[in-house]
Amino acid sequence: AQKVTQAQTEISVVEKEDVTLDCVYETRDTTYYLFWYKQPPSGELVFLIRRNSFDEQNEISGRYSWNFQKSTSSFNFTITASQVVDSAVYFCALSSYSSASKIIFGSGTRLSIRP
Amino acid sequence: DSGVTQTPKHLITATGQRVTLRCSPRSGDLSVYWYQQSLDQGLQFLIQYYNGEERAKGNILERFSAQQFPDLHSELNLSSLELGDSALYFCASSPRQGAFQETQYFGPGTRLLVL
Repeated sequence: AQKVTQAQTEISVVEKEDVTLDCVYETRDTTYYLFWYKQPPSGELVFLIRRNSFDEQNEISGRYSWNFQKSTSSFNFTITASQVVDSAVYFCALSSYSSASKIIFGSGTRLSIRP
Repeated sequence: DSGVTQTPKHLITATGQRVTLRCSPRSGDLSVYWYQQSLDQGLQFLIQYYNGEERAKGNILERFSAQQFPDLHSELNLSSLELGDSALYFCASSPRQGAFQETQYFGPGTRLLVL
């Protein structure tokens, strides 16, 4: 079965703090893709990153970084020096051969950055 | 801006009615996906069309149907609406057949409220 678990329902931090959003996934496929999407208060879903199962290198994009560890089936997302504009719901997602065309989403983590 | 457009942004209707949601994919994308986001079910895949043909089906109710037209835009038809159909409906698109390797880019969503 394909599953994505985001155990943190809500996180609230003060601006400029670093924050890590956890994501744990389950799949029996050896080839799969992991995603992070951001849903700001306006409601749209914004694509942030895609990572394939054969690439365990960490990725950094500005204040965002992602840590992929196959050994623990985790794909965690860290925001460094958080800003109020980072306030949103963040979804981790999985697609694999077994899921065919659909993306399996986690339940999301609501991140609030306080000024 | 993902390049995926959806109309209308908001829709308010009554139980028992029928509505049509419209989606235009990113230029050049051949696949269109529909997702439903509700408070209790989270983000769920409904259906995918590729170049006019239905390609994959998810948790789509029989009261719901979709199609993709020759110009590649897609419509999601929801009929005999119930209160529980109130949700945010997203359309996404990807370049090709929607194999799991592709990234799906999401539109801004249509917020449906059934009264």
